[in-house]
Amino acid sequence: DAVLTQSPLSLAVTLGQPASISCRSSQSLVHSSGNIYLAWYHQRPGQSPRRLIYMLSYRDRGVPDRFSGSGSGTDFTLTISRVEAEDVGVFYCGQGTHWPRTFGQGTRVELK
Amino acid sequence: EVQLLESGGDSVQPGGSLRLSCATSGFTFRNLEMTWARQAPGKGLEWVSTISESGGTSHFADSVKGRFTISRDNQRSMLYLQMDSLRAEDTAIYFCVKGSAFDSWGQGTMVSVSS
Repeated sequence: DAVLTQSPLSLAVTLGQPASISCRSSQSLVHSSGNIYLAWYHQRPGQSPRRLIYMLSYRDRGVPDRFSGSGSGTDFTLTISRVEAEDVGVFYCGQGTHWPRTFGQGTRVELK
Repeated sequence: EVQLLESGGDSVQPGGSLRLSCATSGFTFRNLEMTWARQAPGKGLEWVSTISESGGTSHFADSVKGRFTISRDNQRSMLYLQMDSLRAEDTAIYFCVKGSAFDSWGQGTMVSVSS
């Protein structure tokens, strides 16, 4: 299985400051097609997850451009350029290259 | 607008069965793989199962293989999850998820397994 390991698991951020979350995979997530099926999700308290980023770096419709995804075959990063209050919650990475599909443990983001 | 509405969650005893349903609208259901994922109380996300567009192929997490069955009705745009031999560790919110790229999630339905 492709084990995804996120760090940090908890992050206290200041409004307007940048933040980044790392996701490392135990296997390369480069698909035979050449695409990297790594996505990022955000779950606010009491809500269902919402996908923010897909295929490594493509933002979903309506996702603010302060969110960006980057990385290579096994190391990935979600960057928030300027944290806003609505970003509080848990962020997960997830992979769609291999079966079984897997998620990282989640990174809880709170405001300082 | 994409809508995914799960139903069928309940409290059951270990060894029992439940059938979850997901009513969908706002997209061409028959053209997409569909997925069930779950989240145990206070825990992270776990993929459960994905079914192909036609329903002819499905994948399952090892934790549910042999106990859960996924199916779909493309005429009615409905997704199902038959859960048998339920265990305490199956207690979770179950989400219906659009596609195999998890691009839209329903609000979830709660399944509680306890004696």
